[in-house]
Amino acid sequence: QVQLQESGPGLVKPSETLSLTCSVSGASISSYYWSWIRQPPGKGLEWIGYIYYSGSTNYNPSLKSRVTISLDMSKIQFSLKLSSVTAEDTAVYYCLRGGSWFDSWGQGTLVTVSS
Amino acid sequence: QSALTQPRSVSGSPGQSVTISCTGTSSDVGDYYYVSWYQQHPGKAPKLMIYDVSKRPSGVPDRFSGSNSGNTASLTISGLQAEDEADYFCSSYAGTYTFDVVFGGGTKLTVL
Repeated sequence: QVQLQESGPGLVKPSETLSLTCSVSGASISSYYWSWIRQPPGKGLEWIGYIYYSGSTNYNPSLKSRVTISLDMSKIQFSLKLSSVTAEDTAVYYCLRGGSWFDSWGQGTLVTVSS
Repeated sequence: QSALTQPRSVSGSPGQSVTISCTGTSSDVGDYYYVSWYQQHPGKAPKLMIYDVSKRPSGVPDRFSGSNSGNTASLTISGLQAEDEADYFCSSYAGTYTFDVVFGGGTKLTVL
């Protein structure tokens, strides 16, 4: 059974870059899409973007200028970078398997943007 | 503002059926057969309940069913149980050939 685990700083200063990594176990990275989604406290889900195992990516148009998702197949993990963060980026960030629907989720990690 | 519109709340008594709607446009729900539904209990990660409009992942009870009509998708839960009380989110591909993903704002299901 595939398991995903997010890791990274829980506190990021405004204007800096949020960086998270998702470690995948129990499954190969090949032949799947891998995604990031976030959920601001008390609010709904927002799609950030996905990466295919081939390396092709697709990002939420509203975040596209600030987002990079990358894949490290040797480490069996994928990463999220979100630049120039503001308080609006405070959310629980989830990594997931899938591109159109998501069958495996990480537990989520709260990232707070604050000075 | 969420791209897909869901009712903020629905409720039902144990044993009854409830339906949660998810309304989009001809560029998302109405154009793609990739609507999915997620259940989220407080403090937990969402769980996939329905994908590709009406398919159930292994382990999801057949009390949960999905359908769509035009620009509106629906999740029906029959034989309501106390543990069904949760937030439910819908999702769909969106955009012509861009394959973006959009979510609904979520619906709180209360089992009376």
